[in-house]
Amino acid sequence: GDSVTQMEGPVTLSEEAFLTINCTYTATGYPSLFWYVQYPGEGLQLLLKATKADDKGSNKGFEATYRKETTSFHLEKGSVQVSDSAVYFCALGGGATNKLIFGTGTLLAVQP
Amino acid sequence: DVKVTQSSRYLVKRTGEKVFLECVQDMDHENMFWYRQDPGLGLRLIYFSYDVKMKEKGDIPEGYSVSREKKERFSLILESASTNQTSMYLCASAVFGLYEQYFGPGTRLTVT
Repeated sequence: GDSVTQMEGPVTLSEEAFLTINCTYTATGYPSLFWYVQYPGEGLQLLLKATKADDKGSNKGFEATYRKETTSFHLEKGSVQVSDSAVYFCALGGGATNKLIFGTGTLLAVQP
Repeated sequence: DVKVTQSSRYLVKRTGEKVFLECVQDMDHENMFWYRQDPGLGLRLIYFSYDVKMKEKGDIPEGYSVSREKKERFSLILESASTNQTSMYLCASAVFGLYEQYFGPGTRLTVT
């Protein structure tokens, strides 16, 4: 069945460092791909999305490109801030049921 | 903005108690979802609903039931709480036919 694999955390970076969180997927057909962010003590918020191959989603300085040839949707940010500290979830939406399949989440800790 | 609210942020219950978790959304979304979130396991779907009085089992429905009597409200019921149901519970809603989900702030349930 469909699945999402994302890199294990925690990822610890210094402020202004470059961020990459890897996400790969397995799916039949042409899924939509999402990154959600969960700040401490809160629910998940949609960060960005891409609905077809080669689409780039972007928001708040974060970017991810839908790569069908490598079945990947890696999250990147050029310069992280302490306020970016959160758990990041990669998710896949496909099929007729409108359900999302989530990765296990990656904790990002940014130190000043 | 879509708003999804959950009845409690923190809840402590005793083993064997019947527990009700309430979720309300204000955007007339057809789809609603209940997840539980556990460290290292990500989000796991318990139940979802496409419409009033419609419900379908997710990946881990055992020990849970749901009720959707009104479109805006989706309740999760633990018939007889057990300690292994201690977790963070997240509710989400979505427009029918779209994958993008909007999440509530979560309820952290502790069963002692």
